[in-house]
Amino acid sequence: EAQVTQNPRYLITVTGKKLTVTCSQNMNHEYMSWYRQDPGLGLRQIYYSMNVEVTDKGDVPEGYKVSRKEKRNFPLILESPSPNQTSLYFCASSRDRGRSNYGYTFGSGTRLTVV
Amino acid sequence: AQSVTQLGSHVSVSEGALVLLRCNYSSSVPPYLFWYVQYPNQGLQLLLKYTSAATLVKGINGFEAEFKKSETSFHLTKPSAHMSDAAEYFCAVSDNDMRFGAGTRLTVKP
Repeated sequence: EAQVTQNPRYLITVTGKKLTVTCSQNMNHEYMSWYRQDPGLGLRQIYYSMNVEVTDKGDVPEGYKVSRKEKRNFPLILESPSPNQTSLYFCASSRDRGRSNYGYTFGSGTRLTVV
Repeated sequence: AQSVTQLGSHVSVSEGALVLLRCNYSSSVPPYLFWYVQYPNQGLQLLLKYTSAATLVKGINGFEAEFKKSETSFHLTKPSAHMSDAAEYFCAVSDNDMRFGAGTRLTVKP
């Protein structure tokens, strides 16, 4: 089954404790992206990757890091989480970033709470 | 950059009633338009997409959307709402990347 797998689904952590949210896709997609979803703010892009070793900032990159060492994996790293990073996070992948009719496939989400 | 605007952050309908979720786009060139649905505690799923082959696009679960160039609209409809349609719906346009609207939360009353 074609899918994007995120782990964990739920995470509660303390301020400053480094964490990684994993994302893996099995569709051989070149494009992957991370979003955060907050009430009233919709989906905001954090980082995206056009291919292995190619990453770039989205709209809200501060406080986050990513890496793309393999095509299928695109982990999101919070090196020193703060309470304002409490949010619902989604990973997505696609054949193309844009200007096409290829839709995005989303993971099930990671609900992060930083206390 | 292209964008989409969803009119109405919340829509409430009775079960069996018509569902109409509004989306307008800004584009000077033929756009790539999508509707996604997000059920509670789940990620976004592709509901349907406009491919320019037809102005009326049919999606999953009985939803359809009509592309109207003259009105720059891509509204989502379903003739008869079901309780299971309660979700958040996002209109999106594919520009340099996928740009999402703010979302419309659909409530279905019994």
